[in-house]
Amino acid sequence: DVKVTQSSRYLVKRTGEKVFLECVQDMDHENMFWYRQDPGLGLRLIYFSYDVKMKEKGDIPEGYSVSREKKERFSLILESASTNQTSMYLCASSSIGRVKQFFGPGTRLTVL
Amino acid sequence: QQPVQSPQAVILREGEDAVINCSSSKALYSVHWYRQKHGEAPVFLMILLKGGEQKGHEKISASFNEKKQQSSLYLTASQLSYSGTYFCGTEGIGSSNTGKLIFGQGTTLQVKP
Repeated sequence: DVKVTQSSRYLVKRTGEKVFLECVQDMDHENMFWYRQDPGLGLRLIYFSYDVKMKEKGDIPEGYSVSREKKERFSLILESASTNQTSMYLCASSSIGRVKQFFGPGTRLTVL
Repeated sequence: QQPVQSPQAVILREGEDAVINCSSSKALYSVHWYRQKHGEAPVFLMILLKGGEQKGHEKISASFNEKKQQSSLYLTASQLSYSGTYFCGTEGIGSSNTGKLIFGQGTTLQVKP
């Protein structure tokens, strides 16, 4: 069965801390995505990677960076966490093209 | 720009039907539908491509009107298991087939016994 895993289900951090969210997929997918989910706003794309070391900004990249050193792993980095980054973060992966995305279970991040 | 979904929320009794709409201000190549149950990851339902296609999945089907830049998801004879939040994801024409989608804000569906 295909799988996307995220390093933590719940995370609590302090303002100003550097935060790493990890995502791993076992399907050899080229594409990986990081979304942020907030009530009433749906899923908003933060960053997208279409190959190792390749990335593209999504709709809300400010305050975030990403790293993809290996095909199966895509990391989201909050350089200096702020309270307005408290949210649910979802990772997804897919093959190239107009195909379905597979989502991870999400990480609920709280920044105090 | 995010597609707009309507309604934002709907409550049904088991066996009733529902329609969820997804409208975009941009010309679309494809529309994807996902369902997210409470506390779980979104799960893919179907993709509709440019060409006015209608697809089905059990008692859930969808249509895509490219002229209106709109897609509708039809849930027939709803079951308790249909409860969740439904998202449409859109791909604009000229998007280079990267697989990148813009998702709507979601429609919460609650089916009661």
